[in-house]
Amino acid sequence: DAKTTQPTSMDCAEGRAANLPCNHSTISGNEYVYWYRQIHSQGPQYIIHGLKNNETNEMASLIITEDRKSSTLILPHATLRDTAVYYCIVREWGTGNQFYFGTGTSLTVIP
Amino acid sequence: GAVVSQHPSWVICKSGTSVKIECRSLDFQATTMFWYRQFPKQSLMLMATSNEGSKATYEQGVEKDKFLINHASLTLSTLTVTSAHPEDSSFYICSARDSGTSSNEQYFGPGTRLTVT
Repeated sequence: DAKTTQPTSMDCAEGRAANLPCNHSTISGNEYVYWYRQIHSQGPQYIIHGLKNNETNEMASLIITEDRKSSTLILPHATLRDTAVYYCIVREWGTGNQFYFGTGTSLTVIP
Repeated sequence: GAVVSQHPSWVICKSGTSVKIECRSLDFQATTMFWYRQFPKQSLMLMATSNEGSKATYEQGVEKDKFLINHASLTLSTLTVTSAHPEDSSFYICSARDSGTSSNEQYFGPGTRLTVT
């Protein structure tokens, strides 16, 4: 079962930063926070993951609170191609266990 | 990067027939693959875990006799929807776990759109 809660939908102006929150209050010590996104009628695309430190890659930044009960995915300069459903998932790293997807956040980037 | 393919990308079949969907890991070995189903405007729902050389593990509520899974090689898993009905129309997505790395990361396929008429 999904262990995360996310807002159902969000809008963001093109060129602005998109900040997508996720609550995972029951996360355990060995569970990572993963973010995927799904553009309409495509398979999920990996974005980023982290344990407790903030992470950044070419796609996004991940900010995890100190108590690890919530996190925020930041797309620094949203483009129209970033319109998608964004899923926040917690899972143990290295186990290869299955992902349980929650409802995700439908992000619409507005011109 | 690691690539997972699915074939076909879309298929239309008549009610009562069977349809096979393939999931392949193209540049890595995958002892474990996962099958998901996604209905319109809903999230991905895990159907089953496919293990190479052994029986698949099905999630609660998924009929194993209807959704046949075969994982005969380290790079291929197949999902066969038997006696398909219109309510089986859905987007089927697989993911493959890279068994060659310590991270055991998973990579998702592009999905297969099944329409049963």
